[in-house]
Amino acid sequence: AQSVSQHNHHVILSEAASLELGCNYSYGGTVNLFWYVQYPGQHLQLLLKYFSGDPLVKGIKGFEAEFIKSKFSFNLRKPSVQWSDTAEYFCAVIIPGSARQLTFGSGTQLTVLP
Amino acid sequence: SAVISQKPSRDICQRGTSLTIQCQVDSQVTMMFWYRQQPGQSLTLIATANQGSEATYESGFVIDKFPISRPNLTFSTLTVSNMSPEDSSIYLCSVESGDGYTFGSGTRLTVV
Repeated sequence: AQSVSQHNHHVILSEAASLELGCNYSYGGTVNLFWYVQYPGQHLQLLLKYFSGDPLVKGIKGFEAEFIKSKFSFNLRKPSVQWSDTAEYFCAVIIPGSARQLTFGSGTQLTVLP
Repeated sequence: SAVISQKPSRDICQRGTSLTIQCQVDSQVTMMFWYRQQPGQSLTLIATANQGSEATYESGFVIDKFPISRPNLTFSTLTVSNMSPEDSSIYLCSVESGDGYTFGSGTRLTVV
């Protein structure tokens, strides 16, 4: 069964610091990849997604992610974080043509200090 | 993308009782997904609900505990039966929408 690993459980940064959150998946074939964000007390929102094409994907709020097939990775990045980026971030994958349910990583709690 | 209305948003229930959670989608969708998010943890898929057929449950989840209805292409319910404190979680529904997935706002369930 496919799995998704997020190795950073809790990341604490100061405002303006750069961010990179790791995401690795275990499936060897083609996958669709997502990053979701959950702000405190709110529901999940899609940050960005990768289906095919340019492996560098730009999402909302200045986030981007790079798909590296050889490393089975889809790391999330932001050059300069803000206090409002404090949230939990989830990486997720689906296998095209399968039952199409999302498999989520364990999540990374990001705390940005003002 | 689709918009999901989920209710109730929260509830506090006595152990041994059941709670039914509803999700209404503003467009017709083939599959609806039900997830559980236990405190401090990620989302775990409970089951996939297709209209006109029985739901498909993931390992560790059974129909007797989490019966699901899918009477049409815009609506589904999940019932948490014979609740215990271990069922205290956030329950979410989700649909495939556009190029991604849309989630309901969640139901925060506390079992006392």
